[in-house]
Amino acid sequence: AQSVSQHNHHVILSEAASLELGCNYSYGGTVNLFWYVQYPGQHLQLLLKYFSGDPLVKGIKGFEAEFIKSKFSFNLRKPSVQWSDTAEYFCAVNRKWGAGNMLTFGGGTRLMVKP
Amino acid sequence: DGGITQSPKYLFRKEGQNVTLSCEQNLNHDAMYWYRQDPGQGLRLIYYSQIVNDFQKGDIAEGYSVSREKKESFPLTVTSAQKNPTAFYLCASSMAQRDINSPLHFGNGTRLTVT
Repeated sequence: AQSVSQHNHHVILSEAASLELGCNYSYGGTVNLFWYVQYPGQHLQLLLKYFSGDPLVKGIKGFEAEFIKSKFSFNLRKPSVQWSDTAEYFCAVNRKWGAGNMLTFGGGTRLMVKP
Repeated sequence: DGGITQSPKYLFRKEGQNVTLSCEQNLNHDAMYWYRQDPGQGLRLIYYSQIVNDFQKGDIAEGYSVSREKKESFPLTVTSAQKNPTAFYLCASSMAQRDINSPLHFGNGTRLTVT
């Protein structure tokens, strides 16, 4: 069965620190990868996605993620976090489901940035 | 503004009662989804629908039922058979379930508490 693992459930950083959130998946075929973010009191929204091409993907708000096929990983990074980055982050992998496609989500990482 | 509306935001029910969660979208999306979000477990798919009058079970469909009589609406009923119904429920939609380039749009969720 395909699964998505996010190793850190809670991360606490000070402002200006660098961020890296891990995401690993278990699926041998072609994958499409996503990071979603949920800010406090808001709905989930797409942060960035990888379908093909350059494995380094840039998203909104200075976030980027690198797809490393050999490691089955899609880690999220930001060089310098801000207090406003406090949120829960979800990695997701596209999978085949019946005749269509479906996202499988990781367990989420709750990030708290201290001012 | 287009979007997904879930109501109510908070719902309380006594054990043994069925309860229906509302989800309406005005994005003209074909596909709609119900996810359940539990701490540390990410989002798990309950049901999804590709088109009107069609729906399929997701990973954790037991104890739930849905209907898709209109394109805009995809209500979820949590039945008394669901063993652990207390959770945060998220509705989502996308343009086409077969289109892997189509990201999910999420509602703000309904927090259901069953006592």
